[in-house]
Amino acid sequence: EIVLTQSPGTLSLSPGERAALSCRASQTVSGKLAWYQQKPGQSPRLLIYAASSRAINIPDRFSGSGSGTEFTLTISGLEPEDFAVYYCQQYGSSPKTFGQGTKVEIK
Amino acid sequence: QVQLQQWGAGLLKPSETLSLTCAVSGRSFRPSGYYWSWIRQSPGRGLEWIGEIDHRGNTIYNPSLKFRVTVSVDTSNNQFSLKLISVTAADTAVYYCARGEGLWEPSVYWGHGHLVTVSS
Repeated sequence: EIVLTQSPGTLSLSPGERAALSCRASQTVSGKLAWYQQKPGQSPRLLIYAASSRAINIPDRFSGSGSGTEFTLTISGLEPEDFAVYYCQQYGSSPKTFGQGTKVEIK
Repeated sequence: QVQLQQWGAGLLKPSETLSLTCAVSGRSFRPSGYYWSWIRQSPGRGLEWIGEIDHRGNTIYNPSLKFRVTVSVDTSNNQFSLKLISVTAADTAVYYCARGEGLWEPSVYWGHGHLVTVSS
């Protein structure tokens, strides 16, 4: 099973600032790495798939990068609606696994 | 727009069977290629992938649950279902149904989630 470790656990930032979230895999991920956003009381929402491709209707301030075992989600210029919990997921091998999440909170 | 509506019992006793159903609307349940998933979320375990199925009934399960879980599909009613036997308090979670564009693809569309509590 591929274990995904996200850091930091919490990121305290102000609107307009840039956020960089990390996801590290215990084994090489075959590029099948996704990022989801989840707000309280809501289902996760797919932001990024294949490590760097934006899902439909996702603003271009969200970008993904990385390969192998190191991946990053960057939010360039936080909007008020971006404060949420973000999860990475590898979906290239069974079982599909998720990271434990990074909470982006308002400073 | 694809919509997933899920339902089932919300309170179970230990050793009982969890049963949830997810109905798909907005697009046909077919064509082939889509995979229909169950994922759960709890404070202690985070997000956990349970398993998924295609419209032909091909399934893949999380090895940690495979001896207790069954996912089935009812294409005539555009539904798929989850059964988890012998539940314990550790199975208390919000259960989501979801759709991916293929087996090795992420989940694009999600249901609203259904809280299942296991308590004596």
